[in-house]
Amino acid sequence: AQSVTQPDIHITVSEGASLELRCNYSYGATPYLFWYVQSPGQGLQLLLKYFSGDTLVQGIKGFEAEFKRSQSSFNLRKPSVHWSDAAEYFCAVGDHGGSQGNLIFGKGTKLSVKP
Amino acid sequence: GAGVSQSPRYKVAKRGQDVALRCDPISGHVSLFWYQQALGQGPEFLTYFQNEAQLDKSGLPSDRFFAERPEGSVSTLKIQRTQQEDSAVYLCASSTGGGQYFGPGTRLTVT
Repeated sequence: AQSVTQPDIHITVSEGASLELRCNYSYGATPYLFWYVQSPGQGLQLLLKYFSGDTLVQGIKGFEAEFKRSQSSFNLRKPSVHWSDAAEYFCAVGDHGGSQGNLIFGKGTKLSVKP
Repeated sequence: GAGVSQSPRYKVAKRGQDVALRCDPISGHVSLFWYQQALGQGPEFLTYFQNEAQLDKSGLPSDRFFAERPEGSVSTLKIQRTQQEDSAVYLCASSTGGGQYFGPGTRLTVT
């Protein structure tokens, strides 16, 4: 079955520290992978996406993610976290770039940032 | 440019009432999706349109849920005879192949 697993429900990091949010997927076809961020009361904002090519992708707000096919993972990283990064982060997988089928989302990781 | 907009942002309905949720996608986006997000969960797929054609409605939880996009632009998600378990945030997204872009959602509370 197709699924996305985000093993960490809640992570707390200090401002200025590095961040890695984990995502593992199970998908039968070639996956298109996405990370979204959701602030309280807001919709989802697309941070970055992987379709093909270079397995290290850069996104907005200083985030990056690395696709590792052998580990079925697409972990999100940021070298130095800012207080404004506190939010919920969702990993998702789909096909055709998300235009011809639904995305499957993980349950999310809530990020708290300590001053 | 304008993003995806949804209205109303908040809706309170008494159990048994019908509700209609509206989505205005990004202009020119052919694909439109509806998702349901329960508290503390990730979004779950409800249905998908390409232009005015509803290509997948496998995620609709019951026949009380109905969606339409008659002119291939604005879409409406209708829920008949609302139940408490319908309380959730309903998200709309549109796409042209570079990922799905989401609106702010409609928070539905059924009392």
